[in-house]
Amino acid sequence: KAGVTQTPRYLIKTRGQQVTLSCSPISGHRSVSWYQQTPGQGLQFLFEYFSETQRNKGNFPGRFSGRQFSNSRSEMNVSTLELGDSALYLCASSLVGRGTGELFFGEGSRLTVL
Amino acid sequence: GQQVMQIPQYQHVQEGEDFTTYCNSSTTLSNIQWYKQRPGGHPVFLIQLVKSGEVKKQKRLTFQFGEAKKNSSLHITATQTTDVGTYFCAGYSGGSNYKLTFGKGTLLTVNP
Repeated sequence: KAGVTQTPRYLIKTRGQQVTLSCSPISGHRSVSWYQQTPGQGLQFLFEYFSETQRNKGNFPGRFSGRQFSNSRSEMNVSTLELGDSALYLCASSLVGRGTGELFFGEGSRLTVL
Repeated sequence: GQQVMQIPQYQHVQEGEDFTTYCNSSTTLSNIQWYKQRPGGHPVFLIQLVKSGEVKKQKRLTFQFGEAKKNSSLHITATQTTDVGTYFCAGYSGGSNYKLTFGKGTLLTVNP
């Protein structure tokens, strides 16, 4: 069974640009969550999608957005990038989400903003 | 909002020593999960605890969920170099708030 796939793995952007990250969950998993990981703040919850609906959102500005497609693949977008957005962005899939059950994480997309 | 505090932030041990990390939530939890992240890797699920006072073991790892369901611990007996990594707890407080709140993790290093 293929794991969670995130693309791209690494990317470098400059301030003011925007970025789109992609996540393909494990087949059959309908819940996709996104987390931002930085050395100082640990894993910060961004949002969770289930069957194309955003079920919950973390405390991030509106520059951070996401969506989920009918095949459960998900994308997140960050517009008007700031230096502080440099982080590892992790996607996690699970069968039903709702805060219970195992999360399967992808390798992450490491974003550097210059 | 819900906060999950984890201590210590760092722990360095000699191989063979024991290790414990503690997790405390500001709210009562429906369940708590533990993850391990190796350096340069991604978090990997270890276990989920649901019941008050629950204790689960995985070889040298012992996980406990407090009676009040607000705290948890992970204890590793006789650490090995393969135990190196960051251990995260993640709590879910239930209701319609479908998110896990992660602690900031404990980085364990093991001196061979």
